[in-house]
Amino acid sequence: VQLLESGGGLVQPGGSLRLSCAASEFTFSNYAMTWVRQAPGKGLEWVSTITGSGSSTFYANSVKGRFTISRDNSKNTVFLQMNSLRAEDTAVYYCVVVVRLLYWGQGTLVTVSS
Amino acid sequence: EIVLTQSPGTLSLSPGERATLSCRASQSFSSSYLAWYQQKPGQTPRLLIYGASNRATGIPDRFTGSGSGTDFTLTISRLEPEDFGVYYCQQYGSSGFTFGPGTKVDIK
Repeated sequence: VQLLESGGGLVQPGGSLRLSCAASEFTFSNYAMTWVRQAPGKGLEWVSTITGSGSSTFYANSVKGRFTISRDNSKNTVFLQMNSLRAEDTAVYYCVVVVRLLYWGQGTLVTVSS
Repeated sequence: EIVLTQSPGTLSLSPGERATLSCRASQSFSSSYLAWYQQKPGQTPRLLIYGASNRATGIPDRFTGSGSGTDFTLTISRLEPEDFGVYYCQQYGSSGFTFGPGTKVDIK
């Protein structure tokens, strides 16, 4: 299983960013995909999960209404559209999948600052 | 929503000693969905245990996970200098994850 995140960077408060996670070495459409984040010096925080078909999505209260998770099963990719970004959204964002074991990408850093 | 509490917050032990880390849940859930991680500064969390008691690939047998219901334990039988870091427990399910706040293990 391999997961490769991209799309992080520096964005101003109120701005938007779209993260991508390209997956390989497993049957992508069979598995839920999840985003987890970690703010500098802080613990791990679940952000959002999408089912394998994409028909159901789940969000942490801290991002509900601002972030949208989606997936393209033809491209083995999951996305996280982040709008109305705040300073407290600054974190490393990880893509995670449970294929019996839990697999993590290497993360992509999002910095929200003026 | 399941809330996970970890204790102690910090553990300072010498190499060769036994470490016992606790993870308690606010409500019972299947042990099939409990994981433990080790994280060192600047690194991605490293999966140690999944399904409460199954070691991940390449994890030494000094790491043992146990427990069920609301009480779970990670035991490191004989601490090695490289075992320092923060340890997190995690509940994972089809609709999301929950993480504990972590236990920091310092090696004296």
